[in-house]
Amino acid sequence: DVKVTQSSRYLVKRTGEKVFLECVQDMDHENMFWYRQDPGLGLRLIYFSYDVKMKEKGDIPEGYSVSREKKERFSLILESASTNQTSMYLCASSLSLYNSPLHFGNGTRLTVT
Amino acid sequence: GESVGLHLPTLSVQEGDNSIINCAYSNSASDYFIWYKQESGKGPQFIIDIRSNMDKRQGQRVTVLLNKTVKHLSLQIAATQPGDSAVYFCAENRGGSQGNLIFGKGTKLSVKP
Repeated sequence: DVKVTQSSRYLVKRTGEKVFLECVQDMDHENMFWYRQDPGLGLRLIYFSYDVKMKEKGDIPEGYSVSREKKERFSLILESASTNQTSMYLCASSLSLYNSPLHFGNGTRLTVT
Repeated sequence: GESVGLHLPTLSVQEGDNSIINCAYSNSASDYFIWYKQESGKGPQFIIDIRSNMDKRQGQRVTVLLNKTVKHLSLQIAATQPGDSAVYFCAENRGGSQGNLIFGKGTKLSVKP
């Protein structure tokens, strides 16, 4: 089974802090994704990566950046956290960039105060 | 203030009955569809997928039906069990890479013992 592990289940940060969310997958997948999930809005793509050091913006990249230095690890960075970034953050990986299901981690619930 | 859109469509079924969860998709060019199950406090779990060159696909206790004429997708769960209680949502690939996946808002399935 694919395992996608997010390092923190819950985080509480202050406005203006730099926040790192970490994700590791163990299936040698090329592609990794960061989504946020908010009530009534569903899942929205922030960034994805199809190879080491490669990244593509998703639908809502503003206020975020990402890092993929190793194939198995994909980090989401909030450069200066704001209260509107309070959300559930979900990492996913997929074997192929086409017609292949995403496998998700259990999420990090981030609260920015 | 009041949060908008917190209330998902709900389907309530008796244990042992069959469940049908529906999803309307938006783009006639979408060529790949996925169903996910999300239990409280967990990330979305892949259930089954289907490509647009198919009308039906079966898994263990689940069947996905695709009607391209009316842009409709359904998930059928046979002999629904209490462990099936969760939010179910579909995803469509608008075409191209997985960066173009669009997720539905979801349906909450409640199973009465």
